[in-house]
Amino acid sequence: QKEVEQNSGPLSVPEGAIASLNCTYSDRGSQSFFWYRQYSGKSPELIMSIYSNGDKEDGRFTAQLNKASQYVSLLIRDSQPSDSATYLCAVLLTGTASKLTFGTGTRLQVTL
Amino acid sequence: GAVVSQHPSRVICKSGTSVKIECRSLDFQATTMFWYRQFPKKSLMLMATSNEGSKATYEQGVEKDKFLINHASLTLSTLTVTSAHPEDSSFYICSADPGGAGGAFFGQGTRLTVV
Repeated sequence: QKEVEQNSGPLSVPEGAIASLNCTYSDRGSQSFFWYRQYSGKSPELIMSIYSNGDKEDGRFTAQLNKASQYVSLLIRDSQPSDSATYLCAVLLTGTASKLTFGTGTRLQVTL
Repeated sequence: GAVVSQHPSRVICKSGTSVKIECRSLDFQATTMFWYRQFPKKSLMLMATSNEGSKATYEQGVEKDKFLINHASLTLSTLTVTSAHPEDSSFYICSADPGGAGGAFFGQGTRLTVV
């Protein structure tokens, strides 16, 4: 079982819709979770971090964490073509100091 | 957010030569930095953890004599690809940790092409 799993996609949503990206992780003791956005040919950019169960909102982005079910998700409201990118889920696993473990990423396509 | 600067952004070198890539934390001190490589349409692969003032910790399968890492100060880590070959062509990215957050901020990346 992979430590951090994401559906590779592509996930296609129409402009203005809500995009829902999901991530599951295997280490029940993990405490810190991150979402990164990566445009083709560019390095990842941190867009959200979440540490507690529940929702965390930042503009059009909402991160959701459920530690009991070991999943974290990212919702993008009012999706725009500029949101088209690969979204990487990253987890700070227990006992790994400050080393992040990444999922393989979900490619999001926002269509006109 | 914290700023991490990586240089150069793009480099082309001849097979057999060495290439040095710099990673700087501009507005914070980083005792730990991370080096990744990424092949086209693939996810990030952690190569090594760079520790200020001590030896780097390499991931399994990464040749430490080929990928030399030096973290001589709290704001600078360097990755040297020695005796580069075409199969080393890749996108190399560093990240730095501003304070136990998990190395959350990335440099711009360096696209290395070995010809």
